[in-house]
Amino acid sequence: TQLLEQSPQFLSIQEGENLTVYCNSSSVFSSLQWYRQEPGEGPVLLVTVVTGGEVKKLKRLTFQFGDARKDSSLHITAAQPGDTGLYLCAGAWGATRFGAGTRLTVKP
Amino acid sequence: NAGVTQTPKFQVLKTGQSMTLQCAQDMNHNSMYWYRQDPGMGLRLIYYSASEGTTDKGEVPNGYNVSRLNKREFSLRLESAAPSQTSVYFCASSVGNRGVLGYTFGSGTRLTVV
Repeated sequence: TQLLEQSPQFLSIQEGENLTVYCNSSSVFSSLQWYRQEPGEGPVLLVTVVTGGEVKKLKRLTFQFGDARKDSSLHITAAQPGDTGLYLCAGAWGATRFGAGTRLTVKP
Repeated sequence: NAGVTQTPKFQVLKTGQSMTLQCAQDMNHNSMYWYRQDPGMGLRLIYYSASEGTTDKGEVPNGYNVSRLNKREFSLRLESAAPSQTSVYFCASSVGNRGVLGYTFGSGTRLTVV
């Protein structure tokens, strides 16, 4: 079974702080996706990265794919309460596997 | 802009009862999927359909059946519900096979089996 490990599991910060969450595996992925899920809703795709070393930015969110395509990070600058949610990574290498997620709470 | 629509939103079943979860997408995607989400375990694939007329087992198919009715619709059936099937179920679709470029998810069905 291919595993995706996300860390930390839980993160609670104040509005305005910066944070980084991680997604790691021993497998090489053909692509890696990040999703945000809010309570009572399905995951929403934020970004897909496909090239080792690739960096993508989405407003205050920066996504990086590791050079070896085995890991990824999500950095949020100046977090806001609207960033609160469950952040999921998913790695594709034929089948797509999801990590268990990082639950982020941003307090006003 | 409906995307992926799932029904029902909530359901309570007694052990041994059957039910069908419905899913429809309006994005002309070829591939559709059923996932379950349990606390601490991430999303796990139950069944998928790469294209109309085909279905394949995923990681946790036992106790479930699926039907790809047409390109838009993909249903999940529980023939004899068990408490272990208490979960949140998500239908998803993707442009390409196996979701390499990402999925569009529905809003989920919260199922409780008592």
